[in-house]
Amino acid sequence: DTEVTQTPKHLVMGMTNKKSLKCEQHMGHRAMYWYKQKAKKPPELMFVYSYEKLSINESVPSRFSPECPNSSLLNLHLHALQPEDSALYLCASSRDRGFSGNTIYFGEGSWLTVV
Amino acid sequence: GENVEQHPSTLSVQEGDSAVIKCTYSDSASNYFPWYKQELGKGPQLIIDIRSNVGEKKDQRIAVTLNKTAKHFSLHITETQPEDSAVYFCAASGRAAGNKLTFGGGTRVLVKP
Repeated sequence: DTEVTQTPKHLVMGMTNKKSLKCEQHMGHRAMYWYKQKAKKPPELMFVYSYEKLSINESVPSRFSPECPNSSLLNLHLHALQPEDSALYLCASSRDRGFSGNTIYFGEGSWLTVV
Repeated sequence: GENVEQHPSTLSVQEGDSAVIKCTYSDSASNYFPWYKQELGKGPQLIIDIRSNVGEKKDQRIAVTLNKTAKHFSLHITETQPEDSAVYFCAASGRAAGNKLTFGGGTRVLVKP
């Protein structure tokens, strides 16, 4: 079983709503990630936090806003999304980003539908 | 940047047979190659990984081989079972690319009982 916990598992939101996805890990990892996955496609990297600081933003639109309150928690704030943003959003973590070969562990994901 | 190609995109095998999935990568500096299994409605789960200083690694019915010269690596599943049915993703990463994972396109494996 994954040790990366994501809530909620399913979310339906309107284009004018504000909602948040939450992620938690208790493995002592210092790198946390948000990925987006569309049907029949591999995960696409959105954001990387390293030691609670944003280190990578893959040119993600500002309607997605990440937040890392502490080393165990990662949030993704959603506002004014479009229907094409409907996807599976995956949180992941790894020991750190300093060394290649650090295993990345994924959560079960949050299924987002924008109506 | 890194580019990972994965073949085949779909694979149907009879229970008990072997399944092989192949991936090629473009960046010779990549040095870490994980394989993930994603079941329907779930997140990707790491099933095996290999680093560039090793040519082969086994874990029960699963094995991965790496050919650095040819820049390709393969996943071998022996004695397949219905619960092996899933989408499998290969990936590559290396320090030159900021240790970011680059995924292959995925292989949908169906094990027929």
